[in-house]
Amino acid sequence: SYVLTQPPSVSVAPGQTARITCGGNNIGSKSVHWYQQKPGQAPVLVVYDDSDRPSGIPERFSGSNSGNTATLTISRVEAGDEADYYCQVWDSSSDHPAVFGGGTKLTVL
Amino acid sequence: EVQLVQSGAEVKKPGESLKISCKGSGYSFTSYWIGWVRQMPGKGLEWMGIIYPGDSDTRYSPSFQGQVTISADKSISTAYLQWSSLKASDTAMYYCARQVRTAVAGTEAFDIWGQGTMVTVSS
Repeated sequence: SYVLTQPPSVSVAPGQTARITCGGNNIGSKSVHWYQQKPGQAPVLVVYDDSDRPSGIPERFSGSNSGNTATLTISRVEAGDEADYYCQVWDSSSDHPAVFGGGTKLTVL
Repeated sequence: EVQLVQSGAEVKKPGESLKISCKGSGYSFTSYWIGWVRQMPGKGLEWMGIIYPGDSDTRYSPSFQGQVTISADKSISTAYLQWSSLKASDTAMYYCARQVRTAVAGTEAFDIWGQGTMVTVSS
């Protein structure tokens, strides 16, 4: 099945920009969704279809996808953004269509 | 308000059976697939399978096929995940999530999640 690779951790100072990557073979041809999971909470969809935001998600969250890498960008990072972030794609041709990346722990210094 | 509410935490012994639930409200329960996702302690998200409550069409990840059973009762807007014989390795948080087809790309994402059900299997 399709494999998504994320860095285990990313650190950023408050007010700076965090970039979390998600690697996959020709991932640019797929649509990527991103989830935020704070400690002890369920995941929350923060970006879908590479770069769209559900209602209620701040504009500080954005995404891009090209080639073999998709990126979640969080601008003007706040302490409350500290969480695990997961990318996900849907591979309809597979018997395991929903694939999640391994997750990235964002630490706000 | 659209929400999924899951049943409470469970503590079981190896070999016991278990059925946990996920009740939807605030939307047409029969019109959206419901997925189940496992999260083992300190680990990432794993997709287990999905069910369409409208006709109970069910798909499983090969990793979970034969290990669990996914079902639904549309009359009470509830999906279920069950085990016939639990193992210690089934200890995990289990989430249900509503699957939606995205408007632009037409792919599938999980837009609403339950609060999770912690299952602990220990002798």
